[in-house]
Amino acid sequence: ETGVTQSPTHLIKTRGQQVTLRCSSQSGHNTVSWYQQALGQGPQFIFQYYREEENGRGNFPPRFSGLQFPNYSSELNVNALELDDSALYLCASSLPPHASLHFGNGTRLTVT
Amino acid sequence: GQQVMQIPQYQHVQEGEDFTTYCNSSTTLSNIQWYKQRPGGHPVFLIQLVKSGEVKKQKRLTFQFGEAKKNSSLHITATQTTDVGTYFCAGHAGNNRKLIWGLGTSLAVNP
Repeated sequence: ETGVTQSPTHLIKTRGQQVTLRCSSQSGHNTVSWYQQALGQGPQFIFQYYREEENGRGNFPPRFSGLQFPNYSSELNVNALELDDSALYLCASSLPPHASLHFGNGTRLTVT
Repeated sequence: GQQVMQIPQYQHVQEGEDFTTYCNSSTTLSNIQWYKQRPGGHPVFLIQLVKSGEVKKQKRLTFQFGEAKKNSSLHITATQTTDVGTYFCAGHAGNNRKLIWGLGTSLAVNP
């Protein structure tokens, strides 16, 4: 059974740039959720994708967008990066949407 | 809005002492999940409770879900250094797809 994998593991971007983070869900899981975790804080829900459609969204601006592909892998795109976007971005898969979350190791994004 | 409060924020214990973290929701939850995050790691699912008054045990860990499904607790008996990490509770309110997270309790264990 393949777990959740995320890429890249670390990323440094400049304010105003755009970034794409990728996630492969655990085998058989059709739901992917994205979270932002600032240092010393709990995970903040960005959005969830279920069968290629957005299935719920947290309090994040539209410059945070995503996609889910037919194989249930997912992307998180962030436009016009701000310094406060620096955080650990976690992807978690589940089956079904209300079930337990299986997290990847995360992508550490630093915006300078 | 919907909130989940978790206390204490930090707990420092001697190895062998017990530890408890409490989770309180402003609204009734359909389920409560507990996760553990080691320093530098990602959250790892521990357990899910769905029934009012439910109690589940995993070795030295005991999880409870309150009768009103608004609160929960995690109790660790005789802590070990391997228990170090941040423990998060998270729950769904009704059919809301958004999982509401507590801020976590960070546990430090002195050997």
